[in-house]
Amino acid sequence: DTGVSQNPRHKITKRGQNVTFRCDPISEHNRLYWYRQTLGQGPEFLTYFQNEAQLEKSRLLSDRFSAERPKGSFSTLEIQRTEQGDSAMYLCASRIGGGAGTDTQYFGPGTRLTVL
Amino acid sequence: KNQVEQSPQSLIILEGKNCTLQCNYTVSPFSNLRWYKQDTGRGPVSLTIMTFSENTKSNGRYTATLDADTKQSSLHITASQLSDSASYICVVSALSSGGSYIPTFGRGTSLIVHP
Repeated sequence: DTGVSQNPRHKITKRGQNVTFRCDPISEHNRLYWYRQTLGQGPEFLTYFQNEAQLEKSRLLSDRFSAERPKGSFSTLEIQRTEQGDSAMYLCASRIGGGAGTDTQYFGPGTRLTVL
Repeated sequence: KNQVEQSPQSLIILEGKNCTLQCNYTVSPFSNLRWYKQDTGRGPVSLTIMTFSENTKSNGRYTATLDADTKQSSLHITASQLSDSASYICVVSALSSGGSYIPTFGRGTSLIVHP
């Protein structure tokens, strides 16, 4: 257990439905990252936050994907109008901010999304 | 396009043996390179982090090397244990024009250690 928690751990939904995932980072970490990992592939960077500010969102896969971190603590990732291609593991990671990005990122266990 | 290629795709070794995993990248401008271990169904766990000026970094039985000139890295595992069975992922970060460090992940090498 790294101290980063994600809920739910598994989500099954029907195509076209909206889903929302939650990530609770390690409490003193002000950087929070979202990744997507499909079967047999490495994770793919989606977006990240420093406190409540979303500093990079150009890598979000489409406008159906959005993320928030309203109070600089937990974060949510929402996928609207889900498609079967959205089926994947969604990973969250956190780290202490600042520096040249060399601080260790701690990953959560992920949320496995299955779109039927 | 930034890319990270890992080899071999999979590897089977006997317990106690050593092995070396390879990572080649075309990420630019280079910021840092990380190796992660990912057990099935779990999030990755950081093993090593190296910046441009570092050419080797150790973490217990794991030793990573970096040749920034040839854009290659390796992860050497010494005296393998059954618990080393996992996917090993190489990640290279680049500094974007917007000032963010964007990571590019390799597909990973799947290591199986047999007793």
